[in-house]
Amino acid sequence: AQKITQTQPGMFVQEKEAVTLDCTYDTSDPSYGLFWYKQPSSGEMIFLIYQGSYDQQNATEGRYSLNFQKARKSANLVISASQLGDSAMYFCAIPRRPQGGSEKLVFGKGTKLTVNP
Amino acid sequence: NAGVTQTPKFQVLKTGQSMTLQCAQDMNHNSMYWYRQDPGMGLRLIYYSASEGTTDKGEVPNGYNVSRLNKREFSLRLESAAPSQTSVYFCASSEVGDEQRGTDTQYFGPGTRLTVL
Repeated sequence: AQKITQTQPGMFVQEKEAVTLDCTYDTSDPSYGLFWYKQPSSGEMIFLIYQGSYDQQNATEGRYSLNFQKARKSANLVISASQLGDSAMYFCAIPRRPQGGSEKLVFGKGTKLTVNP
Repeated sequence: NAGVTQTPKFQVLKTGQSMTLQCAQDMNHNSMYWYRQDPGMGLRLIYYSASEGTTDKGEVPNGYNVSRLNKREFSLRLESAAPSQTSVYFCASSEVGDEQRGTDTQYFGPGTRLTVL
């Protein structure tokens, strides 16, 4: 079964600095991918970035990038030039797709990021 | 496009009362999902619907029923609410996962905060 581990309950970073949020995973699927979502204090879940296991290059979306290391089973989120608005919970998720079924996401417990001015 | 909408935003119930959470999406997605989020637990899948006319249980289905009313709408019903169902409920939707094309992103609604007294 798929499993996601986020070992950092809370992280602090100074504004304009970069921060890395850790995510390790366990899956038996030969083909898989990793999602990162952001949940600000307002509560909504915002999709940030995705990378498939078959992608050769690490995914990048603006200030967000995925540091995907399959041998270590890790898919860390890197946020460059942190902004105050980046303060939020961040969740890593991996799809679970039973035979013939649609995908369901398995989430980690999240990391709370606080950006200090 | 409104994306995924949920009603109500907040609800307080007494133990034993029933209610239905509504979800609608305007992205023409085939798959829809209901998750619950409890403190320190991340999101857990309650039920999902791979396509119109089909529903299936997720990780924590007990105490809930669902209806895929049409392609746009997917409702979650609590027949006899219990304090253990106090949570934030998220609806999500996605295209059906295509193994050749890769995983499809799940997009979330704003959530319903439910308290059962």
